[in-house]
Amino acid sequence: EPEVTQTPSHQVTQMGQEVILRCVPISNHLYFYWYRQILGQKVEFLVSFYNNEISEKSEIFDDQFSVERPDGSNFTLKIRSTKLEDSAMYFCASQERGPYEQYFGPGTRLTVT
Amino acid sequence: GENVEQHPSTLSVQEGDSAVIKCTYSDSASNYFPWYKQELGKRPQLIIDIRSNVGEKKDQRIAVTLNKTAKHFSLHITETQPEDSAVYFCAARDWAGSYQLTFGKGTKLSVIP
Repeated sequence: EPEVTQTPSHQVTQMGQEVILRCVPISNHLYFYWYRQILGQKVEFLVSFYNNEISEKSEIFDDQFSVERPDGSNFTLKIRSTKLEDSAMYFCASQERGPYEQYFGPGTRLTVT
Repeated sequence: GENVEQHPSTLSVQEGDSAVIKCTYSDSASNYFPWYKQELGKRPQLIIDIRSNVGEKKDQRIAVTLNKTAKHFSLHITETQPEDSAVYFCAARDWAGSYQLTFGKGTKLSVIP
């Protein structure tokens, strides 16, 4: 069964550094998402992406964040200048079309020191 | 925006007993309610979902009920097994509009053999 994949599984970075988190959504899916989960807290929506553009974003998704689908398979989340409070598990999710189920990747644990 | 409350935060049951997890939501426009199971260190996995045009849905030992008037929905697991031990998240979404999921804080279910 196809699955969403994410790399790396764990990323450690220093405050102020840029990080890029990578996701490969399920191949025939058209909607892509990033969520994050701070340790012990709920999963929070960051951004959704459809037709090569952002369709929605939350308040968390400020100018430090950007997303890109550089080719037909990858979907990336870039954090330009990481802060300590960016430490979290970041999940990518994809959805086949409009009102369908979302499937999650295994997550990337980002640790900012 | 949507707010989802989930209770209890932890739940311990004896193997073979039933477990019930409850969620309430705030936005009456929400009409899709998935449940995800997350085992330690793994991705959230969709286990069952319900749309607002039905009041109950069953899949083997798992069932979800929805009360749109009261804006609450519940997950019922019968004949629990040790492998049911995980964190369970409820979520809500406006099926026809924005596709972002709003999650509850999660319930850690422990099934004691």
